[in-house]
Amino acid sequence: EAGVTQSPTHLIKTRGQQATLRCSPISGHTSVYWYQQALGLGLQFLLWYDEGEERNRGNFPPRFSGRQFPNYSSELNVNALELEDSALYLCASSSVPGIGTDTQYFGPGTRLTVL
Amino acid sequence: LAKTTQPISMDSYEGQEVNITCSHNNIATNDYITWYQQFPSQGPRFIIQGYKTKVTNEVASLFIPADRKSSTLSLPRVSLSDTAVYYCLVGRLSGGYNKLIFGAGTRLAVHP
Repeated sequence: EAGVTQSPTHLIKTRGQQATLRCSPISGHTSVYWYQQALGLGLQFLLWYDEGEERNRGNFPPRFSGRQFPNYSSELNVNALELEDSALYLCASSSVPGIGTDTQYFGPGTRLTVL
Repeated sequence: LAKTTQPISMDSYEGQEVNITCSHNNIATNDYITWYQQFPSQGPRFIIQGYKTKVTNEVASLFIPADRKSSTLSLPRVSLSDTAVYYCLVGRLSGGYNKLIFGAGTRLAVHP
């Protein structure tokens, strides 16, 4: 069974540009989560999508947005890039929540570098 | 969501058993305890999850005392490839919870 996939692996942008990151969840998983991990730091929750809708977002400005498609894949868009947006962006998926199934499976991440 | 406290770092040697303890005094009745492993520049990898007593899989064991205010991840006979950051999380995704809070984790260094 294929795991969570993310593309691209690396992305280099300049300040003010927009970045689009993509994620495909594990087959059968309907929830997708996005996290930001700056170098040497812990994971910061960004966004949660389930069944095509944004369910919650972390403490990030509105220029961080995304969407989930009917096939449950997801995009994360970061507008007006700033230098401090440079980080590893991780996507995770989970199945329909239930007893003992509250586990997120992570993709390999997209390394975004803002110059 | 319950806050967790873990040691910042630990050192061990190949072949030894490593025990990483996590404190979660405010754990709720419906919360599960989950451990993840993360290598540099990779996504966290699920290791083990439990609710109470002991859980064992092919990778690790998880010990949870009766009061559930702490848990211990046990890695038997570690190798150099076990050098990673280990995160303890408490919570659940259903019942209105919508995110997992990752703390700083424990940086485990395994030496030859």
